[in-house]
Amino acid sequence: EVQLVESGGGLVQPGRSMKLSCAASGFTFNNYDMAWVCQAPKKGLEWVATISYDGSSTYYRDSVKGRFTISRDNAKSTLYLQMDSLRSEDTATYYCARHVPYGGYQPWGQGVMVTVSS
Amino acid sequence: EIVLTQSPVSITASQGEKVTITCRASSSISSNYLHWYQQKAGSYPKLLIYRTSILASGFPDSFSGSGSDTSYTLTISCMQDEVAASYYCQQGSSSPYTFGAGTKLELK
Repeated sequence: EVQLVESGGGLVQPGRSMKLSCAASGFTFNNYDMAWVCQAPKKGLEWVATISYDGSSTYYRDSVKGRFTISRDNAKSTLYLQMDSLRSEDTATYYCARHVPYGGYQPWGQGVMVTVSS
Repeated sequence: EIVLTQSPVSITASQGEKVTITCRASSSISSNYLHWYQQKAGSYPKLLIYRTSILASGFPDSFSGSGSDTSYTLTISCMQDEVAASYYCQQGSSSPYTFGAGTKLELK
């Protein structure tokens, strides 16, 4: 079964850092691009970042450029999101997702909540 | 940035009613890169339709998708309680890989 399991969320103060992890199983991790998508409370989905299958290319939404870093460890089948200089507007549930070529994001993890508040 | 505008924002439909959700793009998108997701309350999103019209595994054929260029449609042929959810279109054509704002579908 293809599965993605996020971890690392919680409460963090503005300006501090947090690192999310996403453990993948059930598929050949290093064959796929991966993505992070977030959803603020009672809001819609927002793409955050994508990393290529080999980690050589990364893409970010403007609001997180320079603050967030997406990375992966193919040996551990794990995706990461390092979030620095966190702001209150970063408060959201963060989902990791596998990017299937021409196939959208499938599947998604269950999500991890990040709350940025003093 | 390609902006996706979904309409309506919310809709309440009766059992058995046909439902149509529209997604309009601010610039042309290849149909290979337009996808739809279903998200039920309190749960994570699931891929519903990919490449405009291909139904993802596990979903009934009461769901269908169509469209091209800047106009895309998700159709639910028969409203039932189990399809009550939020629906999002998404483009994978160019970064940032934007989503529509979502359509909340409820049973009357």
